[in-house]
Amino acid sequence: DGGITQSPKYLFRKEGQNVTLSCEQNLNHDAMYWYRQDPGQGLRLIYYSQIVNDFQKGDIAEGYSVSREKKESFPLTVTSAQKNPTAFYLCASSRRTGNQPQHFGDGTRLSIL
Amino acid sequence: DQQVKQNSPSLSVQEGRISILNCDYTNSMFDYFLWYKKYPAEGPTFLISISSIKDKNEDGRFTVFLNKSAKHLSLHIVPSQPGDSAVYFCAASLLTSGTYKYIFGTGTRLKVLA
Repeated sequence: DGGITQSPKYLFRKEGQNVTLSCEQNLNHDAMYWYRQDPGQGLRLIYYSQIVNDFQKGDIAEGYSVSREKKESFPLTVTSAQKNPTAFYLCASSRRTGNQPQHFGDGTRLSIL
Repeated sequence: DQQVKQNSPSLSVQEGRISILNCDYTNSMFDYFLWYKKYPAEGPTFLISISSIKDKNEDGRFTVFLNKSAKHLSLHIVPSQPGDSAVYFCAASLLTSGTYKYIFGTGTRLKVLA
């Protein structure tokens, strides 16, 4: 079955530590996205990528970094510069052309130790 | 500035009745609207969408209505079932510099009572 796989499901970060969240898709989608969800809020866009080796900042990119070396993979690094990293992180993908619904992974919940 | 708003954080409906979830938006450049359903600790699942050139789209028990003049869309679920209990997000799409960006509302928690 095609889909998006996020790992790990739960992740804990120590002070001053960088952590990387994995996102893999086998839907052959060009576009991939990272969102953050906080309680009582909608999904806020962190980074997005339309093609390999290209990505753009979303609305809340500070303290995060990404790479897009392969079409299937779009890992997100939460750096020590992100002072409030505790949240539910969602990865999504979609076809690049035309209005298309996004497909989401099941998310990673990141907490601070 | 919240461009997509869901003003009702929660809604309770009796099984078999109609559920109506509402969403308002401010940007007239949005050209595609979507509804997603989300269970706890899972990612959102796409439900139904509508293009800005239409005012209604139907898929089984789910119907989305778009009122462009009022910048308002709604999702109707008829009849409501206990399995419909979840958080529903509306989203709007905008083509910006060759890229489709999606703006999400804050969600409405629907509880269908048996």
